[in-house]
Amino acid sequence: QVQLVESGGGVAQAGRSLRLSCAASGFTFSRYGTHWVRQAPGKGLEWVAVIWNDGSNRYYGDSVKGRFTVSKDDSKNTVFLQMDSLRADDTAVYYCARGAGNWHAVLDFWGQGTLVTVSS
Amino acid sequence: EVVLTQSPGTLSLSPGERATLSCRASQSISSSYLAWYQQKLGQAPRFLMFGASSRATGIPVRFSGSGSGTDFTLTISTLEPEDFAVYYCQYYGDSLWTFGQGTKVEIK
Repeated sequence: QVQLVESGGGVAQAGRSLRLSCAASGFTFSRYGTHWVRQAPGKGLEWVAVIWNDGSNRYYGDSVKGRFTVSKDDSKNTVFLQMDSLRADDTAVYYCARGAGNWHAVLDFWGQGTLVTVSS
Repeated sequence: EVVLTQSPGTLSLSPGERATLSCRASQSISSSYLAWYQQKLGQAPRFLMFGASSRATGIPVRFSGSGSGTDFTLTISTLEPEDFAVYYCQYYGDSLWTFGQGTKVEIK
């Protein structure tokens, strides 16, 4: 069955960096894009970034553009989210999700999330 | 950039009742790229609907979607106890993915 498992969350000081991982299994990794979506405590969902299945395209939400970088390692079926220059408002649960359909438009399977806390 | 506004913020209903959730876009959008998700407390979101009106695999028939242009609706025909959750609409367009702020369906 499709599984996405995030890791790498924790506590980081403002201005520092953190790298999240999303390990995928149960499907042909090379056929699907991968999104990152975050949810601040008690708030709604905010789309963060996506990487195309072949790595050819990467897009970011305005609030993280220039600070976060998404990448992938096909040999490990893993997607990464490098988060630099962290701010207090980056505190959230970060989910990775499989992108499906044209333009990876829908997010059809989600991981359980990893909590990132940025202390000031 | 498209903004999605969901209403109401909270819907208080009893099991067995009908739930109607609205998602309004700030400009006309393609229904092909309008999706819905369900999130229960402490859990990851679950994919419900795509193309505004097509159910994802395994989603019960009591869930239906409709709409076009700027106005979209998710309807739960008869609420089951497991349907009380927060629901989000989501749109893809111009290399951006946007979520609405969510509608909470709570037990009355």
